[in-house]
Amino acid sequence: QVQLQESGPGLVKPSQTLSLTCTVSGGSISSGGYYWSWIRQHPGKGLEWIGYIYYSGSTYYNPSLKSRVTISVDTSKNQFSLKLSSVTAADTAVYYCASTSGNWFDPWGQGTLVTVSS
Amino acid sequence: DIQMTQSPSSLSASVGDRVTITCQASQDISNYLNWYQQKPGKAPKLLIYDASNLETGVPSRFSGSGSGTDFTFTISSLQPEDIATYYCQQYDNLPMVTFGPGTKVDIK
Repeated sequence: QVQLQESGPGLVKPSQTLSLTCTVSGGSISSGGYYWSWIRQHPGKGLEWIGYIYYSGSTYYNPSLKSRVTISVDTSKNQFSLKLSSVTAADTAVYYCASTSGNWFDPWGQGTLVTVSS
Repeated sequence: DIQMTQSPSSLSASVGDRVTITCQASQDISNYLNWYQQKPGKAPKLLIYDASNLETGVPSRFSGSGSGTDFTFTISSLQPEDIATYYCQQYDNLPMVTFGPGTKVDIK
């Protein structure tokens, strides 16, 4: 069964770049048929889709974040990554990685809280 | 963009009660709707896909229905372990997907 685990700094300074990695186990990112996603949840709030990547490198981003987001994949490490540039306090959130068929998200990683503060 | 609304935003019910949550889309999304359960401090979990299909391993007390713009999620007999926030999610205009604001379910 596929499992996902987020990793990365829990504290990022304003104007800097947030960088997170999701490690996939129990299955290969390169096996195809699935997209690898990032979703965030502001404290006490709802869920916001950030974007996803296919193993080939094709990416799709939420238009509201597109100018600041880069998602990449490293098939050799079975990982995919998120970079969000020019962060502000409004980017403080729990960041989840998830697998998607394109229609629904399943499974999800446990999530990692990233706080933007000086 | 397709906007999703949910009602109520929160509810309290007794163990054994039937609980119903509604989700409304700002435009016709056919049956392109999923439901998730998020327990406190945990990641969301897929319960229902394509509006009415129960994910493998999910108890049968959970069900979903609807199409077009109006959808319903039901817990037929509320259990203590069902305390969570429930979200709907549409995927009519891929790759963009949007989630509803959530409905928090508590035990009375």
